[in-house]
Amino acid sequence: QVQLVQSGAEVKKPGASVKVTCQASGFSFTSHYMHWVRQAPGQGLQWMGVIYPSGSASYAQKFQGRITMARDTSTPSVYMELSSLTSEDTAVYYCARGFSVVVVPTAIDFWGLGTLVTVSS
Amino acid sequence: DIQLTQSPSSLSASVGDRVTITCRASQSISTFLNWYQQKPGKAPSLLISAASGLHSGVPSRFSSSGSGTDFTLTISSLQPEDFATYYCQQSYTTPRVLTFGGGTKVEIK
Repeated sequence: QVQLVQSGAEVKKPGASVKVTCQASGFSFTSHYMHWVRQAPGQGLQWMGVIYPSGSASYAQKFQGRITMARDTSTPSVYMELSSLTSEDTAVYYCARGFSVVVVPTAIDFWGLGTLVTVSS
Repeated sequence: DIQLTQSPSSLSASVGDRVTITCRASQSISTFLNWYQQKPGKAPSLLISAASGLHSGVPSRFSSSGSGTDFTLTISSLQPEDFATYYCQQSYTTPRVLTFGGGTKVEIK
């Protein structure tokens, strides 16, 4: 069955970087878009970016310049690294699978359990 | 960028009530809108997609309508397990850019 297993909770100091990993199984992620979505405490969902089946990525404007998404087909895993952290980056970070690329328009049909990232001095 | 505004931001309803949630887009997105449900402490889950309608396993009491800029999610007869937060998401500019609405929390009256 489809599984997205995310790395564990992180506590970071302001200014630091965090890397969250998501190991995929039960499907071929080279056929799907892979998204990252975050949710600050008590807040709504905020889309961060997408990794295309080709391996390239597109990011939300809000995070341009301090976010990197990548994948490793050997594991197979996707990664999201966010730098220059502030307290406003405290949130649960979700890895999520989009529909197969042959399905248009896309949606997110499977979510990881989330990784809590806390930014605190 | 396309903005999505949901209303109301929260509502109280009773079991058996008919509930309607609205999502308004800042520009026309044709019919390209998806709906998600999120329960406290859980990841969101897909309810309805523009591509294929009601997602697998989702009860038929959930339905959606709309096109252009105005959309609705309707729960025909609210059940105890439906108390949750609901999000719309536009797929007009996906996968390059994906936008969520602010959410509507459905609470027990």
